Amino acid sequence: DSGVTQTPKHLITATGQRVTLRCSPRSGDLSVYWYQQSLDQGLQFLIQYYNGEERAKGNILERFSAQQFPDLHSELNLSSLELGDSALYFCASSVGPSGDYEQYFGPGTRLTVT
Amino acid sequence: QQQVKQSPQSLIVQKGGISIINCAYENTAFDYFPWYQQFPGKGPALLIAIRPDVSEKKEGRFTISFNKSAKQFSLHIMDSQPGDSATYFCAASMVTSYDKVIFGPGTSLSVIP
Repeated sequence: DSGVTQTPKHLITATGQRVTLRCSPRSGDLSVYWYQQSLDQGLQFLIQYYNGEERAKGNILERFSAQQFPDLHSELNLSSLELGDSALYFCASSVGPSGDYEQYFGPGTRLTVT
Repeated sequence: QQQVKQSPQSLIVQKGGISIINCAYENTAFDYFPWYQQFPGKGPALLIAIRPDVSEKKEGRFTISFNKSAKQFSLHIMDSQPGDSATYFCAASMVTSYDKVIFGPGTSLSVIP
């Protein structure tokens, strides 16, 4: 158990809909990262927040947005969902702001868009 | 588009053998090279990582070898065990610009008794 929690575990929704994925980092960790893992694209970095501020932005679509709240939990919002958004979404946390701090991954949320 | 190439795609090794997974990158600005291990139904977990100022790093049965001039790095798993059966991902990133991180496509390792 990494100490990172993600909810929900599974999500099934229809095209065009909007969903919110939630992540609680390990106690004491200030950085939260979001990743998408799909069969065709592999593991891709989406976005990082550090202590409430956006720190790094990867391959995140404009239809997706994220935020980190004062209690350090984070939410990833996916809107106007398409079939291709079906994937595993992982959240990871680390204590520091830079990429060489060890990241601890949550169990993921499996999103299925029908 | 920049990418990290990883081979082989899948690997079967006998218990006690050596598992070797290779990665190659293109961007010479990358300065942090982690390896992740992922079991089915779980998130990835950091296994071992290396910076380009060293050519080798060992942690237990796991060793990273790094060749800066060739822009290649590899993971060696000594005395492979059935419990090592998992998918392994290499990655390359810039510590101060994490937005540039790229992951390899993964290697599925099966260690058979």
